[in-house]
Amino acid sequence: DQQVKQNSPSLSVQEGRISILNCDYTNSMFDYFLWYKKYPAEGPTFLISISSIKDKNEDGRFTVFLNKSAKHLSLHIVPSQPGDSAVYFCAASRRGTYKYIFGTGTRLKVLA
Amino acid sequence: SQTIHQWPATLVQPVGSPLSLECTVEGTSNPNLYWYRQAAGRGLQLLFYSVGIGQISSEVPQNLSASRPQDRQFILSSKKLLLSDSGFYLCAGGGRGGGIQYFGAGTRLSVL
Repeated sequence: DQQVKQNSPSLSVQEGRISILNCDYTNSMFDYFLWYKKYPAEGPTFLISISSIKDKNEDGRFTVFLNKSAKHLSLHIVPSQPGDSAVYFCAASRRGTYKYIFGTGTRLKVLA
Repeated sequence: SQTIHQWPATLVQPVGSPLSLECTVEGTSNPNLYWYRQAAGRGLQLLFYSVGIGQISSEVPQNLSASRPQDRQFILSSKKLLLSDSGFYLCAGGGRGGGIQYFGAGTRLSVL
């Protein structure tokens, strides 16, 4: 049972354009969400988070949107840069459980 | 933030041999600690987590075990490796109340 899904395994975007990565979840008890970026043969690095009390969180070029009714979140990267090329994972947690469920990742390629 | 030290970076082991991967944490006390595995082309699967010394929760039945002999040390072990144990293993640390998890650089294990 995949509680967190990233249905697009890959995405290609031109440099300077917007990248939109999507994530869906099934458990309505999840109330905290993270996005991570991962380069090959490295550990994931934290990008941005959002709590279920918000519907948007911004940090520089990165914005995460949360639609609780649709159980959907998305990560927007504007403008996209070649260095953004990596695999992006979303993760969901229910406060107090100490555990995150990760999606399968989306490989983003930003074309110069 | 925390710094997660994980070693070795790569490991090639024969089937049936033992395994010991070590992870240490800097920058915090009493962290929650996690072992994940990323199989080729797949997401991050939580294997074990620990909320304190000697406290281990297993998420997936398998050929592996984990131990936490000290507050900031987390060890992943196996008595006899299987071919299916091959993968990329990641250690992560998180705060007591949840929140962001910080990852180590990972260990690429190849069982031949």
